[in-house]
Amino acid sequence: DAGITQSPRHKVTETGTPVTLRCHQTENHRYMYWYRQDPGHGLRLIHYSYGVKDTDKGEVSDGYSVSRSKTEDFLLTLESATSSQTSVYFCAIRGGTGSQETQYFGPGTRLLVL
Amino acid sequence: GENVEQHPSTLSVQEGDSAVIKCTYSDSASNYFPWYKQELGKGPQLIIDIRSNVGEKKDQRIAVTLNKTAKHFSLHITETQPEDSAVYFCAASPQLGGGADGLTFGKGTHLIIQP
Repeated sequence: DAGITQSPRHKVTETGTPVTLRCHQTENHRYMYWYRQDPGHGLRLIHYSYGVKDTDKGEVSDGYSVSRSKTEDFLLTLESATSSQTSVYFCAIRGGTGSQETQYFGPGTRLLVL
Repeated sequence: GENVEQHPSTLSVQEGDSAVIKCTYSDSASNYFPWYKQELGKGPQLIIDIRSNVGEKKDQRIAVTLNKTAKHFSLHITETQPEDSAVYFCAASPQLGGGADGLTFGKGTHLIIQP
């Protein structure tokens, strides 16, 4: 599992409330990613980070913000949750060395916005 | 940007038979193509990947082939077993390991192994 944990694993919230999801890694990887998974869409990139305080937008970044104040933690925030943000959220890291580099995924957070 | 198409969306095969899942991509700059297996309630797990300097790669019962001219790559599973039942995703990226801006995924194939 490449030392990736996500919290919470499940969350139910109401429309309009702020929500923060946490991704924690134990292996000092530089690159971290947030994806969302929805039926019929596969996984889509929300935001990514290439170092502490270095982040950028992905394909579906509207309504989301991220922060990375230390190497091991990458936070995803929904400032004002909407029903369209009901999804399963996966964090990933880029691990391995040289030609063996690839992305490893965490266990996911299932978010329901009512 | 990159677009990855994956077919079929559902594939049902008899135990012991072979399964083939196909993906096409649009960006000729892509040169890294991983395949992930996702079981219910879990995160995607890498099962095999291929780089553009290789046409085929095999790992026991799993193989991946790549045709850069046609921009398609395929996953082959032989002698399928019940534990192969899962959702499989292909992905593409112009950089090894997914690059700084992540992977572009296909929409997934639900593989069902019939006993």
